Amino acid sequence: SAVISQKPSRDICQRGTSLTIQCQVDSQVTMMFWYRQQPGQSLTLIATANQGSEATYESGFVIDKFPISRPNLTFSTLTVSNMSPEDSSIYLCSVGAGANVLTFGAGSRLTVL
Amino acid sequence: KQEVTQIPAALSVPEGENLVLNCSFTDSAIYNLQWFRQDPGKGLTSLLLIQSSQREQTSGRLNASLDKSSGRSTLYIAASQPGDSATYLCAVHFGNEKLTFGTGTRLTIIP
Repeated sequence: SAVISQKPSRDICQRGTSLTIQCQVDSQVTMMFWYRQQPGQSLTLIATANQGSEATYESGFVIDKFPISRPNLTFSTLTVSNMSPEDSSIYLCSVGAGANVLTFGAGSRLTVL
Repeated sequence: KQEVTQIPAALSVPEGENLVLNCSFTDSAIYNLQWFRQDPGKGLTSLLLIQSSQREQTSGRLNASLDKSSGRSTLYIAASQPGDSATYLCAVHFGNEKLTFGTGTRLTIIP
């Protein structure tokens, strides 16, 4: 299965700033997914990042708040913009690995003060 | 609305015991179901994947079953070990190109 590297693994940020999370995969994949896991909660899909087209956002998530780039088949970034304490979460990148099996990165733990 | 539920939210079991984790889902028209393990502050590790046409899957001490008609899946862990302590997440692919996750069961194995 694909190996995913996410950076940063964790960060502490100030309110009102933005942070970009990187996701690197060791093989070419068609679809990459970004999830959010708020404290004590399960995972919620933010968006699907498709190479060569705009990301598809789930209900409750907008491009202005969570812009996504997908420049090639092995890389994607998620930016959390104008952060507030409510954005404190673990953000996870994942990819499909055949039959819709998902492989996840280790996650990026974000704390907003 | 397609939902996935896991009960209990937390479970403590003495080392060596066998245990069962439960997952229920609202729509029987699923594509597949996947069990994940998440260690504190970490990402997810895929444990078992069951396709809609399958009834169970086994990997080592783990056995996952699927009953679509009743909307249930179980994860059976045999001879539990302290290293099994983690949060276990059930995720269902309802055929709409995304996974819906349950809220997880936090398992603690007591040495």
